[in-house]
Amino acid sequence: GAVVSQHPSRVICKSGTSVKIECRSLDFQATTMFWYRQFPKQSLMLMATSNEGSKATYEQGVEKDKFLINHASLTLSTLTVTSAHPEDSSFYICSARGKQGTLLNYGYTFGSGTRLTVV
Amino acid sequence: TQLLEQSPQFLSIQEGENLTVYCNSSSVFSSLQWYRQEPGEGPVLLVTVVTGGEVKKLKRLTFQFGDARKDSSLHITAAQPGDTGLYLCAGQNSGGSNYKLTFGKGTLLTVNP
Repeated sequence: GAVVSQHPSRVICKSGTSVKIECRSLDFQATTMFWYRQFPKQSLMLMATSNEGSKATYEQGVEKDKFLINHASLTLSTLTVTSAHPEDSSFYICSARGKQGTLLNYGYTFGSGTRLTVV
Repeated sequence: TQLLEQSPQFLSIQEGENLTVYCNSSSVFSSLQWYRQEPGEGPVLLVTVVTGGEVKKLKRLTFQFGDARKDSSLHITAAQPGDTGLYLCAGQNSGGSNYKLTFGKGTLLTVNP
């Protein structure tokens, strides 16, 4: 089945530094990648959507300059949290979607998430 | 903006009991998915329902999609401690941009032995 590999699973960084999270589709081409943020015991909040080779589309209230998304290839998307602050601490999850009809679950496969802690 | 109202938000039951989780919307979705998520992990797809009125069964889990494709339910029979987790419904609107999923707020289920 479709697999999305997300790394790192956990990261601790100092306030003011930047952190990059990678999301790779291992056995399919991800035409669209979605990045979510999740607070404890809450649902997923969509941050942005990116198509390969295009600029990401950010949801209202999400700072583009703070959360940089790159989707340079059909198998890799990255989320960089720039100048991280403690309030950016959260669980970040990516989801990849292949071409419609190519995957049984209508194309959505989630990564295993990244726990970011900013100290 | 499409919204999915999911209820209940929290549910704590004893092993062997039955339960139902609901997702309701005023919008029509082309498909609706149910996920289960464990702490520190990404959501795992349980089922996708596409046709209005569709019923799908996955062992002790029964999923239903409303006739108008605006609502869905998840029923668990004889719940077990292993069913504990966060259950999420998510609707897809193929008419929208990029096939975004709209997530419900989730139901945190705890099944006590």
